Amino acid sequence: EVQLVQSGAEVRKPGESLQISCKASGYNFTGHSIAWVRQTPGKGLEYMGIIVPAYSHIRNSPSFQGRVTISVDKSTNTAYLHWTSLKASDTAIYYCARVDGFNTLYDAFDIWGQGTLITVSS
Amino acid sequence: QTALTQPPSTSGTLGQRVTISCSGSVSNIGTNTVSWYQQLPGAAPKLLLYRNDQRPSGVPERFSASKSGTSASLAIRGLQSEDEANYHCAAWDDTLPGWVFGGGTNLTVL
Repeated sequence: EVQLVQSGAEVRKPGESLQISCKASGYNFTGHSIAWVRQTPGKGLEYMGIIVPAYSHIRNSPSFQGRVTISVDKSTNTAYLHWTSLKASDTAIYYCARVDGFNTLYDAFDIWGQGTLITVSS
Repeated sequence: QTALTQPPSTSGTLGQRVTISCSGSVSNIGTNTVSWYQQLPGAAPKLLLYRNDQRPSGVPERFSASKSGTSASLAIRGLQSEDEANYHCAAWDDTLPGWVFGGGTNLTVL
Protein backbone atom coordinates (compact mmCIF):
# COMPACT_ATOMS: atom_id res chain seq x y z
CA GLU A 1 0.00 0.00 0.00
CA VAL A 2 1.28 3.44 -0.97
CA GLN A 3 1.27 5.66 2.09
CA LEU A 4 2.86 8.58 3.88
CA VAL A 5 3.02 8.30 7.66
CA GLN A 6 3.82 11.44 9.61
CA SER A 7 5.27 11.84 13.07
CA GLY A 8 3.01 12.59 16.01
CA ALA A 9 1.66 15.81 17.47
CA GLU A 10 4.10 18.16 19.18
CA VAL A 11 3.84 20.95 21.73
CA ARG A 12 6.66 23.47 21.86
CA LYS A 13 7.42 26.88 23.31
CA PRO A 14 8.17 29.93 21.16
CA GLY A 15 11.82 30.03 20.15
CA GLU A 16 12.30 26.26 20.31
CA SER A 17 13.34 24.14 17.35
CA LEU A 18 11.39 21.25 15.88
CA GLN A 19 11.60 18.68 13.11
CA ILE A 20 8.66 16.59 11.92
CA SER A 21 8.86 13.66 9.55
CA CYS A 22 6.97 12.00 6.73
CA LYS A 23 7.88 8.37 6.00
CA ALA A 24 6.99 6.99 2.61
CA SER A 25 6.29 3.36 1.81
CA GLY A 26 4.87 1.25 -1.00
CA TYR A 27 6.48 3.12 -3.89
CA ASN A 28 9.80 4.34 -5.30
CA PHE A 29 10.56 7.27 -2.97
CA THR A 30 13.00 8.90 -5.39
CA GLY A 31 10.45 8.85 -8.18
CA HIS A 32 8.02 11.40 -6.73
CA SER A 33 8.27 14.89 -5.29
CA ILE A 34 7.00 15.60 -1.79
CA ALA A 35 5.29 18.84 -0.80
CA TRP A 36 4.53 20.28 2.62
CA VAL A 37 1.19 22.01 3.22
CA ARG A 38 0.03 23.97 6.25
CA GLN A 39 -3.55 24.18 7.41
CA THR A 40 -4.84 26.73 9.87
CA PRO A 41 -8.53 27.30 10.66
CA GLY A 42 -8.63 30.75 9.18
CA LYS A 43 -6.50 30.26 6.07
CA GLY A 44 -7.26 26.85 4.60
CA LEU A 45 -4.42 25.03 2.88
CA GLU A 46 -1.11 26.82 2.27
CA TYR A 47 1.74 25.48 0.14
CA MET A 48 5.06 25.66 1.99
CA GLY A 49 7.52 24.08 -0.39
CA ILE A 50 8.41 21.02 -2.39
CA ILE A 51 11.38 18.69 -2.73
CA VAL A 52 12.42 16.28 -5.46
CA PRO A 53 14.03 13.45 -3.45
CA ALA A 54 16.04 12.11 -6.39
CA TYR A 55 18.08 15.32 -6.58
CA SER A 56 17.28 16.95 -3.22
CA HIS A 57 16.09 19.88 -5.33
CA ILE A 58 13.98 22.18 -3.17
CA ARG A 59 11.58 24.94 -4.09
CA ASN A 60 10.27 26.97 -1.15
CA SER A 61 7.20 29.15 -1.13
CA PRO A 62 8.18 32.82 -0.71
CA SER A 63 5.76 32.94 2.23
CA PHE A 64 7.83 30.37 4.13
CA GLN A 65 11.33 31.05 2.79
CA GLY A 66 13.77 31.34 5.67
CA ARG A 67 11.26 30.05 8.20
CA VAL A 68 11.43 26.33 7.51
CA THR A 69 13.88 23.86 5.99
CA ILE A 70 12.75 20.94 3.86
CA SER A 71 14.97 17.90 3.48
CA VAL A 72 14.91 14.18 2.74
CA ASP A 73 16.81 11.09 3.80
CA LYS A 74 16.76 8.71 0.84
CA SER A 75 18.17 5.87 2.95
CA THR A 76 15.01 5.84 5.07
CA ASN A 77 12.50 7.16 2.51
CA THR A 78 11.68 10.03 4.82
CA ALA A 79 11.01 13.73 4.25
CA TYR A 80 11.48 16.31 6.96
CA LEU A 81 10.26 19.78 7.86
CA HIS A 82 12.43 21.72 10.29
CA TRP A 83 12.06 24.96 12.25
CA THR A 84 14.98 26.56 14.12
CA SER A 85 12.83 29.02 16.06
CA LEU A 86 9.10 28.47 16.37
CA LYS A 87 6.51 31.21 16.75
CA ALA A 88 2.99 31.03 18.11
CA SER A 89 1.76 31.69 14.58
CA ASP A 90 3.28 28.34 13.50
CA THR A 91 0.49 26.57 15.37
CA ALA A 92 -1.25 24.52 12.69
CA ILE A 93 -1.65 21.09 11.14
CA TYR A 94 1.12 20.21 8.70
CA TYR A 95 0.63 17.71 5.87
CA CYS A 96 3.09 16.09 3.54
CA ALA A 97 1.75 15.13 0.13
CA ARG A 98 3.15 13.12 -2.78
CA VAL A 99 3.10 14.59 -6.25
CA ASP A 100 1.71 12.24 -8.86
CA GLY A 101 3.89 11.81 -11.95
CA PHE A 102 7.57 10.99 -12.19
CA ASN A 103 9.89 13.58 -10.60
CA THR A 104 7.65 16.49 -11.47
CA LEU A 105 6.52 19.46 -9.39
CA TYR A 106 3.35 20.09 -11.35
CA ASP A 107 1.03 17.11 -11.02
CA ALA A 108 -1.67 16.74 -8.38
CA PHE A 109 -1.08 15.59 -4.82
CA ASP A 110 -2.28 12.00 -4.98
CA ILE A 111 -1.22 10.71 -1.56
CA TRP A 112 -1.40 12.68 1.70
CA GLY A 113 0.03 12.02 5.13
CA GLN A 114 -2.36 11.98 8.07
CA GLY A 115 -1.15 15.36 9.29
CA THR A 116 0.92 16.52 12.27
CA LEU A 117 -0.56 19.01 14.73
CA ILE A 118 2.00 21.51 16.00
CA THR A 119 1.07 23.68 18.97
CA VAL A 120 3.39 26.53 19.90
CA SER A 121 2.53 28.18 23.18
CA SER A 122 4.33 29.65 26.13
CA GLN B 1 -5.44 36.17 1.13
CA THR B 2 -5.40 33.07 -1.08
CA ALA B 3 -4.43 33.03 -4.75
CA LEU B 4 -7.50 31.04 -5.80
CA THR B 5 -10.97 32.19 -4.80
CA GLN B 6 -13.69 29.82 -3.67
CA PRO B 7 -16.99 30.53 -1.93
CA PRO B 8 -16.52 29.86 1.80
CA SER B 9 -19.62 27.71 2.03
CA THR B 10 -22.45 26.14 0.08
CA SER B 11 -25.25 23.72 0.78
CA GLY B 12 -27.57 21.33 -0.96
CA THR B 13 -30.24 18.77 -0.21
CA LEU B 14 -29.96 15.02 -0.68
CA GLY B 15 -29.99 14.07 -4.34
CA GLN B 16 -29.42 17.63 -5.53
CA ARG B 17 -26.63 18.83 -7.82
CA VAL B 18 -24.24 21.43 -6.44
CA THR B 19 -21.33 23.28 -7.98
CA ILE B 20 -18.31 24.94 -6.39
CA SER B 21 -16.36 27.58 -8.26
CA CYS B 22 -12.64 28.31 -8.17
CA SER B 23 -11.36 31.54 -9.68
CA GLY B 24 -7.71 32.25 -10.40
CA SER B 25 -5.54 34.09 -12.88
CA VAL B 26 -3.59 33.56 -16.07
CA SER B 27 -0.46 32.50 -14.16
CA ASN B 28 -2.19 29.61 -12.40
CA ILE B 29 -5.51 28.24 -13.67
CA GLY B 30 -5.11 30.02 -17.00
CA THR B 31 -1.88 28.14 -17.73
CA ASN B 32 -1.85 25.00 -15.61
CA THR B 33 -4.18 22.18 -14.68
CA VAL B 34 -6.50 22.26 -11.68
CA SER B 35 -6.91 19.60 -9.03
CA TRP B 36 -9.64 19.24 -6.41
CA TYR B 37 -9.40 17.77 -2.93
CA GLN B 38 -12.07 16.55 -0.54
CA GLN B 39 -11.40 16.92 3.16
CA LEU B 40 -13.80 15.12 5.45
CA PRO B 41 -14.10 16.45 9.02
CA GLY B 42 -11.00 15.64 11.03
CA ALA B 43 -9.23 13.95 8.10
CA ALA B 44 -6.45 14.77 5.67
CA PRO B 45 -7.32 16.04 2.20
CA LYS B 46 -7.92 13.40 -0.46
CA LEU B 47 -7.43 13.79 -4.21
CA LEU B 48 -10.85 14.03 -5.87
CA LEU B 49 -10.09 15.21 -9.42
CA TYR B 50 -6.86 16.02 -11.26
CA ARG B 51 -5.71 17.49 -14.58
CA ASN B 52 -8.90 19.58 -14.66
CA ASP B 53 -11.42 16.78 -15.07
CA GLN B 54 -9.82 13.38 -14.41
CA ARG B 55 -11.14 11.11 -11.68
CA PRO B 56 -8.75 8.82 -9.77
CA SER B 57 -9.90 5.24 -9.48
CA GLY B 58 -12.40 4.83 -6.66
CA VAL B 59 -13.92 8.32 -6.96
CA PRO B 60 -17.62 8.08 -7.88
CA GLU B 61 -18.71 9.33 -11.31
CA ARG B 62 -21.09 11.81 -9.70
CA PHE B 63 -18.03 13.98 -9.01
CA SER B 64 -16.94 15.97 -12.06
CA ALA B 65 -14.98 19.12 -12.81
CA SER B 66 -14.25 21.49 -15.63
CA LYS B 67 -12.04 24.45 -16.46
CA SER B 68 -12.56 27.48 -18.64
CA GLY B 69 -10.05 30.30 -18.94
CA THR B 70 -8.99 31.33 -15.45
CA SER B 71 -11.83 29.57 -13.62
CA ALA B 72 -12.66 26.02 -12.68
CA SER B 73 -15.72 24.33 -11.29
CA LEU B 74 -16.47 21.19 -9.29
CA ALA B 75 -19.89 19.57 -9.66
CA ILE B 76 -21.43 16.96 -7.42
CA ARG B 77 -24.65 15.35 -8.58
CA GLY B 78 -26.92 13.10 -6.55
CA LEU B 79 -25.70 14.69 -3.33
CA GLN B 80 -25.23 12.24 -0.45
CA SER B 81 -24.77 12.84 3.26
CA GLU B 82 -21.20 11.53 3.12
CA ASP B 83 -20.33 14.35 0.69
CA GLU B 84 -20.44 16.83 3.56
CA ALA B 85 -16.85 18.04 3.60
CA ASN B 86 -14.49 20.88 2.79
CA TYR B 87 -13.48 21.07 -0.88
CA HIS B 88 -10.24 22.70 -2.03
CA CYS B 89 -8.99 23.60 -5.50
CA ALA B 90 -5.31 23.92 -6.37
CA ALA B 91 -3.06 24.80 -9.30
CA TRP B 92 0.60 25.50 -9.97
CA ASP B 93 1.35 29.22 -10.31
CA ASP B 94 4.10 30.13 -12.76
CA THR B 95 4.69 33.57 -11.20
CA LEU B 96 5.52 32.44 -7.64
CA PRO B 97 6.54 29.76 -8.76
CA GLY B 98 4.70 27.29 -6.58
CA TRP B 99 1.35 25.77 -5.73
CA VAL B 100 -1.64 27.88 -4.81
CA PHE B 101 -4.82 26.75 -3.13
CA GLY B 102 -8.31 28.13 -2.80
CA GLY B 103 -9.58 28.98 0.66
CA GLY B 104 -11.80 25.90 0.68
CA THR B 105 -15.58 25.56 0.41
CA ASN B 106 -17.47 23.94 3.23
CA LEU B 107 -20.34 21.86 1.81
CA THR B 108 -23.32 21.18 4.05
CA VAL B 109 -25.85 18.52 3.06
CA LEU B 110 -29.26 19.49 4.34
